[in-house]
Amino acid sequence: QVQLVESGGGVVQPGRSLRLSCTASGFTFSNYGMHWVRQAPGKGLEWVAIISYDGTSRYYADSVKGRFTISRDSSKNTVYLQMDSLGGEDTALYYCAKDFGSGRSNYFDHWGQGTLVTVS
Amino acid sequence: EIVLTQSPATLSLSPGERATLSCRASQTVSNYLAWYQQKPGQTPRLLIYDVSNRATGIPARFSGSGSGTDFTLTISSLEPEDFAVYYCQQRSNWPLTFGGGTKVEIK
Repeated sequence: QVQLVESGGGVVQPGRSLRLSCTASGFTFSNYGMHWVRQAPGKGLEWVAIISYDGTSRYYADSVKGRFTISRDSSKNTVYLQMDSLGGEDTALYYCAKDFGSGRSNYFDHWGQGTLVTVS
Repeated sequence: EIVLTQSPATLSLSPGERATLSCRASQTVSNYLAWYQQKPGQTPRLLIYDVSNRATGIPARFSGSGSGTDFTLTISSLEPEDFAVYYCQQRSNWPLTFGGGTKVEIK
């Protein structure tokens, strides 16, 4: 079955950087786009970024554009989120999510358990 | 950015009752709208995609309808496990956006 396991979260000072990882299994990773979605404590869901199945296209939320970079390594079935210039507004649980794909792209059909990032 | 406004913020109902949740978009999203369910301490689960298509394993009591800017998620008869927060999400335009959520709570 599909599994997504995030790592790399933690407590970081404002202005510093952090890199999140998400390792996937149970599906053909190189066939699907991958997303990061975040959820601040007690708040709703906010989409952060997507990378296409082949890594050639990336899109970002306006709130992170220019500060965050999404990338992927299909040899490791892993997607990354490099987060620079972190601020308190970035404190959230960060979910990795698999794109639904196959003409239903940009929906999220599987989610990881999330990794918590606290900027303080 | 397309803003999705969900109403009501909280819906208080009893098991067996019908739940009707609304999602309104600030501009048309065609039929590119999904619904997710999130229970406390759990990850979101895709319920409905492209307005009215149930995802794999989703019970038939969940249905979606609407077009353009106004959408509805209906739960025909609430089961105890349906009390949760529900989010709509559009994929019509970048950036992808979610609504603020509707909490369905036990009355």
